[in-house]
Amino acid sequence: KAGVTQTPRYLIKTRGQQVTLSCSPISGHRSVSWYQQTPGQGLQFLFEYFSETQRNKGNFPGRFSGRQFSNSRSEMNVSTLELGDSALYLCASSLVRGKGSYEQYFGPGTRLTVT
Amino acid sequence: AQSVTQLDSQVPVFEEAPVELRCNYSSSVSVYLFWYVQYPNQGLQLLLKYLSGSTLVKGINGFEAEFNKSQTSFHLRKPSVHISDTAEYFCAVTGNQFYFGTGTSLTVIP
Repeated sequence: KAGVTQTPRYLIKTRGQQVTLSCSPISGHRSVSWYQQTPGQGLQFLFEYFSETQRNKGNFPGRFSGRQFSNSRSEMNVSTLELGDSALYLCASSLVRGKGSYEQYFGPGTRLTVT
Repeated sequence: AQSVTQLDSQVPVFEEAPVELRCNYSSSVSVYLFWYVQYPNQGLQLLLKYLSGSTLVKGINGFEAEFNKSQTSFHLRKPSVHISDTAEYFCAVTGNQFYFGTGTSLTVIP
């Protein structure tokens, strides 16, 4: 099976702009989660989508949003970019188990740099 | 609620020496436990998982971990490390949601 794919791999944006990142999960996986990873804060959970619905949400401002399509592909959007949004954004997909999930499989990430 | 604590942020070890990376968790429900590895500028790769059954779990690259319910621990071990094991290691627990530890940076010294 093909793994989790994320596009683009690298992105440079200017403060105030918005950005959309894309994630395609492993075939058959209906849960997609997003994480922000920075050297100072480590791995932080953004949100999880399952069957086109947001199932869990981390502690991020409303500038961070996401959605999931009927084919389980997911996008996340960050509006009004700030310098502090520079990070590696990771997407992970998994099979669902009740309210939780089994192991997550990660994509290679999108490296976002805000200047 | 669940949480994960990785007790060591950095672990230096000489090549061919054994290593143990420590992980403790807290949870009021049954959990699944995982170890992930991250190489520079890459995503996280699953090393091993505990879902049920034998408490000693073997993973890829010669790593193993032992689930200890009484001590709420899931420590990762390798009997002899290689230079290529230098990476960031994350412990994770899932009940209703995934929770990751803050990571342990393993540096293998030649």
